[in-house]
Amino acid sequence: GAVVSQHPSRVICKSGTSVKIECRSLDFQATTMFWYRQFPKQSLMLMATSNEGSKATYEQGVEKDKFLINHASLTLSTLTVTSAHPEDSSFYICSARDLGLDTQYFGPGTRLTVL
Amino acid sequence: EDQVTQSPEALRLQEGESSSLNCSYTVSGLRGLFWYRQDPGKGPEFLFTLYSAGEEKEKERLKATLTKKESFLHITAPKPEDSATYLCAVEETSGSRLTFGEGTQLTVNP
Repeated sequence: GAVVSQHPSRVICKSGTSVKIECRSLDFQATTMFWYRQFPKQSLMLMATSNEGSKATYEQGVEKDKFLINHASLTLSTLTVTSAHPEDSSFYICSARDLGLDTQYFGPGTRLTVL
Repeated sequence: EDQVTQSPEALRLQEGESSSLNCSYTVSGLRGLFWYRQDPGKGPEFLFTLYSAGEEKEKERLKATLTKKESFLHITAPKPEDSATYLCAVEETSGSRLTFGEGTQLTVNP
């Protein structure tokens, strides 16, 4: 139980294009989803928290117009990196949590490379 | 502000050589302390949640303990497949966000 998937697992794009990453909870309803970013040899950095049907809450320093988050259903959240640049290259990981679960369960991550 | 410090940063063990990883934390009110395992290029895998001082949980060769200031992850007779980065995170009573430590990279040599 408590499985979270992400798609795609890796993506390579040209600078200036937008990339959408999907995060799905497969066997539970995720009232809250989280998006993290992880640089090599570093820990997870929380980017934003989203509740189903509400606007996402972004951490300080994270540009909400650049990293668009949508949590339209209880099983799906999307992160869109708009006008991507090489400095946006990173490992993006989502997690999901339901009111009935006291734990965040993580997806497998998406490796984004911007050329 | 919540703070989580893990030590050591890296640990090399021989197969069968037991050891412990440390997670020290500062939080205004602890709702839970979480241990995750992360393999290279993958998302964190949930291991344990601890809620109160004195609590212990076990899973195979792993045992997690909690005091008011720190948590230990004990690894008994580790195997090479236990090699991974172990992450500790805290959640305070006022919110649902996790604050992660920098992790301990464990390597178990055969």
